Amino acid sequence: EPEVTQTPSHQVTQMGQEVILRCVPISNHLYFYWYRQILGQKVEFLVSFYNNEISEKSEIFDDQFSVERPDGSNFTLKIRSTKLEDSAMYFCASSDQGAQTGELFFGEGSRLTVL
Amino acid sequence: AQSVTQPDIHITVSEGASLELRCNYSYGATPYLFWYVQSPGQGLQLLLKYFSGDTLVQGIKGFEAEFKRSQSSFNLRKPSVHWSDAAEYFCAVGARGFQKLVFGTGTRLLVSP
Repeated sequence: EPEVTQTPSHQVTQMGQEVILRCVPISNHLYFYWYRQILGQKVEFLVSFYNNEISEKSEIFDDQFSVERPDGSNFTLKIRSTKLEDSAMYFCASSDQGAQTGELFFGEGSRLTVL
Repeated sequence: AQSVTQPDIHITVSEGASLELRCNYSYGATPYLFWYVQSPGQGLQLLLKYFSGDTLVQGIKGFEAEFKRSQSSFNLRKPSVHWSDAAEYFCAVGARGFQKLVFGTGTRLLVSP
């Protein structure tokens, strides 16, 4: 069964360092998403991406964050200068029809710990 | 703006007993409603969704949920819980015209023998 894969599963970094989280969405999907879950809190939407551009983003997704689909298969989330409060589980998701009508398929998450 | 409330942080149910997980949403129009399950070390898996039509929706693994507009609720039910159902359950709401889903804080289900 096709699945969304994420790497790394866990990354520890120092505050101020750049981090790139990688995702391989399901191959025929067109909509891509990043969500995050701070420990003990709810899953929060960060950004959606369609047709090679951001279609929607939350107020969390500030200038420190960027997304890219560099090669037609990977979908990356970059945090330019990490802060302690960026520590969270980051989930990538993809969909063939978008969130309004289709199912979002989530990866297993990348846990980011910022020290 | 949409919001979701899952009032129960933890629920413990005996194996074979029935289950109901509560979800209340806030949204001005008819929402899209979802239930996701997250097993330990796994991603979120869709159990069921409501977009329109029949207010009782059937999902995978024997789960069902009922959309009640008058109560702004979308409670998840299962008639007989199995030990493998132990997981975290998230209710989510989406708005027409937008891509994002708003999730509740989740309910952790524990199944006792």
